[in-house]
Amino acid sequence: QAVVTQEPSLTVSPGGTVTLTCASSTGAVTSAHYAYWFQQKPGQAPRTLIYETTNKHSWAPARFSGSLLGGKAALTLSGAQPEDEADYYCLLSYSGARVFGGGTKLTVL
Amino acid sequence: EVQLVESGGGLVKPGGSLTLSCAASGFTLNNVWINWVRQAPGKGLEWVGRIKSKSDGGTTDHAAPVKGRFTVSRDDSKNTLFLQMNSLKTEDAAVYYCTTKTLWGQGTLVTVSS
Repeated sequence: QAVVTQEPSLTVSPGGTVTLTCASSTGAVTSAHYAYWFQQKPGQAPRTLIYETTNKHSWAPARFSGSLLGGKAALTLSGAQPEDEADYYCLLSYSGARVFGGGTKLTVL
Repeated sequence: EVQLVESGGGLVKPGGSLTLSCAASGFTLNNVWINWVRQAPGKGLEWVGRIKSKSDGGTTDHAAPVKGRFTVSRDDSKNTLFLQMNSLKTEDAAVYYCTTKTLWGQGTLVTVSS
């Protein structure tokens, strides 16, 4: 089974920019992996931020964007706000299975 | 309102069985691909399995740790998704969520303990 790797933790200053990445053990992430990004705050269910690499859910603020970057899926937050502090998970699709990354704990400080 | 509502969680002994339900409202479940995802206490998200839309064949896939023990199914007449869990292990204890491309339920807690 493929392993999906994310940064365990990142810190960004309020108003700053940060990029979270999602790598696949099988090689470069492409559009065929249909990357998803989810945000989860303590005590809450996850919610979908980005689906199929670049498509933003209607609730997601404009400061979030999804892309492919250097062979990985990427989630970029431009202009971080205190309320963006959360755990972020990526999900990649493989033939017959989907695999989550271990999650990135994002601190806005 | 478009929503997913899980139910059926509870306490079960190792080796036991449990069936989770996920009721959809505001949309037709067999028109979408829908997944079960779980999260053990203090841990990350883990994909459990999915069923494709009826137009894509309605076939299922399951993650390796649960293959042969868990079964994802759907009752179109009830607009409800199910997760039949057999031979439960302590490591199956988690909050179980159903989720479409963009919608998540609130989760239902499964505890496996003697």
